[in-house]
Amino acid sequence: AQSVAQPEDQVNVAEGNPLTVKCTYSVSGNPYLFWYVQYPNRGLQFLLKYITGDNLVKGSYGFEAEFNKSQTSFHLKKPSALVSDSALYFCAVGYQKVTFGTGTKLQVIP
Amino acid sequence: DGGITQSPKYLFRKEGQNVTLSCEQNLNHDAMYWYRQDPGQGLRLIYYSQIVNDFQKGDIAEGYSVSREKKESFPLTVTSAQKNPTAFYLCASSISLRDNEQFFGPGTRLTVL
Repeated sequence: AQSVAQPEDQVNVAEGNPLTVKCTYSVSGNPYLFWYVQYPNRGLQFLLKYITGDNLVKGSYGFEAEFNKSQTSFHLKKPSALVSDSALYFCAVGYQKVTFGTGTKLQVIP
Repeated sequence: DGGITQSPKYLFRKEGQNVTLSCEQNLNHDAMYWYRQDPGQGLRLIYYSQIVNDFQKGDIAEGYSVSREKKESFPLTVTSAQKNPTAFYLCASSISLRDNEQFFGPGTRLTVL
């Protein structure tokens, strides 16, 4: 069975500071990993994915994620946070059938 | 929200009534999905469909039913057998099951009174 864990319910960061949202995964075989963002009362929007290749994946809105096979992690990062980045972030894993994490609320403080 | 529409945005029903949630996409995607979102639990997969006239149960299919008679449409029926139906329901689609970058609709918030 596949699973993904987001250990932080909420992350607070000051505007302009770098941000990291953590994700670890468990899957047999090669992982297909995703990050999505959800704004209040909206559907999810795709940010980025890792299937193979470079361990640093670049995505939408200046976000990137680092795949670490030995630590089974796929942390989401951004060099400089914006207030508009405040939202709920979901990590997901899977091929064909995707399993989502419980989400991390990111609060960027002006 | 990427060419996927869900209607209505808010839905209220009395306990014991079946209710059908609409999901339509104009992205020409083969695969479609239904998720349920509850606070603190993330998204849980209810049903998914790889192609017209084919669908598979997800992790929490009990009390739900779907149909896929057209490529564009994947309605979800919440039956009276679903013990706790009040939730936010999200529909999604992807080019195929193998290309599973999913596009989500805006969601339907169902409240059962």
